[in-house]
Amino acid sequence: QKEVEQNSGPLSVPEGAIASLNCTYSDRGSQSFFWYRQYSGKSPELIMSIYSNGDKEDGRFTAQLNKASQYVSLLIRDSQPSDSATYLCAVADMGRRALTFGSGTRLQVQP
Amino acid sequence: EAGVTQFPSHSVIEKGQTVTLRCDPISGHDNLYWYRRVMGKEIKFLLHFVKESKQDESGMPNNRFLAERTGGTYSTLKVQPAELEDSGVYFCASSQAGIEQFFGPGTRLTVL
Repeated sequence: QKEVEQNSGPLSVPEGAIASLNCTYSDRGSQSFFWYRQYSGKSPELIMSIYSNGDKEDGRFTAQLNKASQYVSLLIRDSQPSDSATYLCAVADMGRRALTFGSGTRLQVQP
Repeated sequence: EAGVTQFPSHSVIEKGQTVTLRCDPISGHDNLYWYRRVMGKEIKFLLHFVKESKQDESGMPNNRFLAERTGGTYSTLKVQPAELEDSGVYFCASSQAGIEQFFGPGTRLTVL
């Protein structure tokens, strides 16, 4: 069974710090990787996608992918209280569009 | 541009009743997906439409669940008869040609 693992948290960081969120996946056939942010009671919001090994930066967010280690991470620089949310890691394998989600990591940014 | 919309936002029904959930994808998105999150668990894939065709329904839990997408626009997900374990949040998502999926606000279903 394909699995995506995340630490449930909460991960607490002070305002202005770097938040590092991690995710491992079991299916070596996974090809596409996504980070979603979900505020309580709201829909998951896509914030990053990454498809090849290495880093991808978008504003304060950097996604990192290491397929050999089956590991994907999300770095949030200059964390703000508004970044406090649950961050969901999702993966899809080649040929299918179905996303497999982790259970999410709750991030708390302390003012 | 309007996002994915879902109706109703909440539904409370008795065990054995029927409930129909509706999803309107982002205009022009041919791909439509249903997911659900039951209490304490991660979001799970149910099925994927491309236009009006079911591309992948491997996540549908049993034959009490019926999804349709007539005309390739909006989609409905019917649960008949509903059981207690069907309670959860049902999300719809859509995508254009690519794989990046955009989620709706979800329908919270409570089966009593």
